[in-house]
Amino acid sequence: QVQLQESGPGLVKPSQTLSLTCTVSGDSIRSGAFYWSWIRQPPGKGLEWIGYIYHSGSSDYNPSLKSRVSMSVDTSKNQFSLNLSSLTAADTAVYFCARETTTGHFDFWGQGTLVTVSS
Amino acid sequence: EIVLTQSPATLSLSPGERATLSCGASQNVRSSYVAWYQHKPGLAPRLLIYDASDRATGIPDRFSGSGSGADFSLTISRLEPEDFAVYYCQQYGDSPWTFGQGTKVEVK
Repeated sequence: QVQLQESGPGLVKPSQTLSLTCTVSGDSIRSGAFYWSWIRQPPGKGLEWIGYIYHSGSSDYNPSLKSRVSMSVDTSKNQFSLNLSSLTAADTAVYFCARETTTGHFDFWGQGTLVTVSS
Repeated sequence: EIVLTQSPATLSLSPGERATLSCGASQNVRSSYVAWYQHKPGLAPRLLIYDASDRATGIPDRFSGSGSGADFSLTISRLEPEDFAVYYCQQYGDSPWTFGQGTKVEVK
């Protein structure tokens, strides 16, 4: 069974950069069969796709966040990461990592990690 | 980007009843690339339906999806106690992928 687990700080200060890591088990990122995505959900709001990264390092980001987002992948650790810069309170959300199929739906998700942006 | 509107926001039903959830898109979704997810608090969201009507692996046949163009729906034929949750639709016909705001199915 494929499992994904997010890790990272639960509290980050405004203007700083958020760094989250997703550890994958039950599948190999290196296989190249899937994309590896980040999705977030602000409190009381809907889900927002942030972007994906491929095993090769190629990526695609939501235009609404593109200027502040970068993703990376470490195939030796079977992990991928999200960096989101210039944080504001509006970035407070539960952040999910997920496995994205080649067509674009998400077949496995992590349970999410709450990140609060506050001084 | 494609905006998805889910209705109703909340559905109050009893176990054994039929649930019909709607997802309307602001424009036609290419190839009916719509998925449905179930989400319970603190758990990972679960893929139920992809490509509008294909059930994901291990999903009971009481869950079914239908629709095309800009109108899609998820039906739960007979609600089981474990089906009370929030349901989201997602389109992946045009980037950026987008989600609906969710429908909460609660116990009446």
